[in-house]
Amino acid sequence: DSGVTQTPKHLITATGQRVTLRCSPRSGDLSVYWYQQSLDQGLQFLIQYYNGEERAKGNILERFSAQQFPDLHSELNLSSLELGDSALYFCASSAARDSFTDTQYFGPGTRLTVL
Amino acid sequence: AQKVTQAQTEISVVEKEDVTLDCVYETRDTTYYLFWYKQPPSGELVFLIRRNSFDEQNEISGRYSWNFQKSTSSFNFTITASQVVDSAVYFCALSDKSGGYQKVTFGTGTKLQVIP
Repeated sequence: DSGVTQTPKHLITATGQRVTLRCSPRSGDLSVYWYQQSLDQGLQFLIQYYNGEERAKGNILERFSAQQFPDLHSELNLSSLELGDSALYFCASSAARDSFTDTQYFGPGTRLTVL
Repeated sequence: AQKVTQAQTEISVVEKEDVTLDCVYETRDTTYYLFWYKQPPSGELVFLIRRNSFDEQNEISGRYSWNFQKSTSSFNFTITASQVVDSAVYFCALSDKSGGYQKVTFGTGTKLQVIP
C-alpha cells in the first residue's frame, strides 16, 4: 500500500458529461501528480501541484483541469468527455517541490469508461 | 526533442534466467532525470528508480540493477534470477526541461513474462 488513495475506483459515464476524480496524497507529501494511461496514448503526465500551486504541466487537454486544496487532496476535473478519454487515471505524490526529482508513490488509479 | 524508446515490446524468459530491458532516450538538456516503473498485472504503478544525468554510477538493488550510459543515451534495467513475480510491464521515463518547463515522457513499455 503506497499510502495514496484515489476515488472512485471505477467510473462509467456518457460522452459530453463531466466527472471529478479525487486523490489524497501520502501523509507529509506536498506534491501531487496526475497521469493518464490509455491504449492509444500510453502513459502520459498531465499536471503537478505542489502545496496548492500548479508546478508543472504536461499533455493536459483544455477540457481537463485540476486543483489542490488546503488539506492537500487534489481533484482532476474532466469535462465534455469523449470516447477517447476512456483511460486509467493515476495520481502520485512525492515530498519534493521540484518536479520529478524524487520518489513518487502511486495510487491504485481510477478507471474511467466513457460510453 | 524528448523521446524514450523501449524497442522490446514483449520478452519471455524462464524463471531464474537473467533479463535486460533496454531503454534509449533523447534529450537536448544536460540536466535530466531517468526513471523506471513497474506495472504488474494488477494495474498499479510502482516507482523503481530515479537517476539524474550527473550520476552515471550503476546501481544495484537486490536482484535489480541499472546501467546508465550517457555515451549511448541508454538506461538499461537488468533483473537477475528472474521470478514469476517479476512479470509486469516495465516503463522507462525521461524528465527534462523541454521548452523551459519540466516535463516527463514515458516509453511504450516492455511486457515481461516470466515462465515458471
